[in-house]
Amino acid sequence: AQSVTQLGSHVSVSEGALVLLRCNYSSSVPPYLFWYVQYPNQGLQLLLKYTSAATLVKGINGFEAEFKKSETSFHLTKPSAHMSDAAEYFCAVSGASGRRALTFGSGTRLQVQP
Amino acid sequence: DGGITQSPKYLFRKEGQNVTLSCEQNLNHDAMYWYRQDPGQGLRLIYYSQIVNDFQKGDIAEGYSVSREKKESFPLTVTSAQKNPTAFYLCASSIDRGVTEQFFGPGTRLTVL
Repeated sequence: AQSVTQLGSHVSVSEGALVLLRCNYSSSVPPYLFWYVQYPNQGLQLLLKYTSAATLVKGINGFEAEFKKSETSFHLTKPSAHMSDAAEYFCAVSGASGRRALTFGSGTRLQVQP
Repeated sequence: DGGITQSPKYLFRKEGQNVTLSCEQNLNHDAMYWYRQDPGQGLRLIYYSQIVNDFQKGDIAEGYSVSREKKESFPLTVTSAQKNPTAFYLCASSIDRGVTEQFFGPGTRLTVL
């Protein structure tokens, strides 16, 4: 069984500040991990994915995430927040075989203050 | 342009009525998925299909039905048996080999009146 926990349903940062969104996972098999972003009333867009190659993964829009097996974490960071980063962010996990459907965390809404 | 389309964008239904949500993809993906999104709960899997004419129940399949007669189409029917159908419904697709991300449609917001 797989699960994802996102700590903090709401995160608020100032424009230009560091963004840190937390994700911890549980998986009985080596996980594949994803971060998606959702703008209001829209579908989800992939930010980045971890596929067991490099542990530091770079994504779109300046985001990156680091896979830490010892901490079962996959936190999302961005050095400097922009107003356009305000959205909801979802961490998700899937297995390598069998059911490929994603298991999602409950999401973190990011606010960026001017 | 390749992508996933969902229609309609907004849907209103009276209690006791069945309603079908459309999902079409032209990405030539084998696998398709339906998720339900409620505030504060993330996305939950309703049904998925890895090949034409085959589909599997997800975590919250009760009150829903699907079909997969064509590779590019995966319609979802919300039946009157679904006790709380008001939600945002998202369709996704992916190739079904290796580690692949899912591509999402724009969603359908269903409101039961």
